[in-house]
Amino acid sequence: NAGVTQTPKFQVLKTGQSMTLQCAQDMNHEYMSWYRQDPGMGLRLIHYSVGAGITDQGEVPNGYNVSRSTTEDFPLRLLSAAPSQTSVYFCASSYRMRQGSSYEQYFGPGTRLTVT
Amino acid sequence: EDKVVQSPLSLVVHEGDTVTLNCSYEVTNFRSLLWYKQEKKAPTFLFMLTSSGIEKKSGRLSSILDKKELFSILNITATQTGDSAIYLCAVEGGATNKLIFGTGTLLAVQP
Repeated sequence: NAGVTQTPKFQVLKTGQSMTLQCAQDMNHEYMSWYRQDPGMGLRLIHYSVGAGITDQGEVPNGYNVSRSTTEDFPLRLLSAAPSQTSVYFCASSYRMRQGSSYEQYFGPGTRLTVT
Repeated sequence: EDKVVQSPLSLVVHEGDTVTLNCSYEVTNFRSLLWYKQEKKAPTFLFMLTSSGIEKKSGRLSSILDKKELFSILNITATQTGDSAIYLCAVEGGATNKLIFGTGTLLAVQP
């Protein structure tokens, strides 16, 4: 298993440009999520999905879109990049068990994005 | 507002020392508390705790949860330079049962 993969590893954008961060997992996980990590802020949830065709907003969704057309893929789109979106982005996935069960999230290697 | 607070924010120790990292939380609908280690890239899973008083152990690392006082500790004994990392605490819960992360503790182990 490749686990959770992310591309690209690094990206530099100019303000106003758009792009898509790719995330894929081969573990048949139902739950996928996107986080951003900034110094002193920890990991903050951007968007998440509990299964194909279902997405929802996390803590900091503004400026980002997601879709989940397949179980494996969960791309994150930046609509019009802003310097405030300079961050490290992590994708994660896990099994989503029945109500009341907990899970372990597996993280991708991250994408370092700089917006100038 | 749900929150997870870790302390200390950073810590410098020497090889062989024992360290204790703290994680306190105020999260509605608590389900579990997880510890991750983050070196240069992605966080890697250490422990998941759901019940009070039951110690989880893996080598020199151990962790325990107190659901009454709403905190967990992560202990590392006989520290090594390879233990240098950011240690993240996360709690699953809240209104939508998502992971809420603390800001992490940066541990530096000097030779």
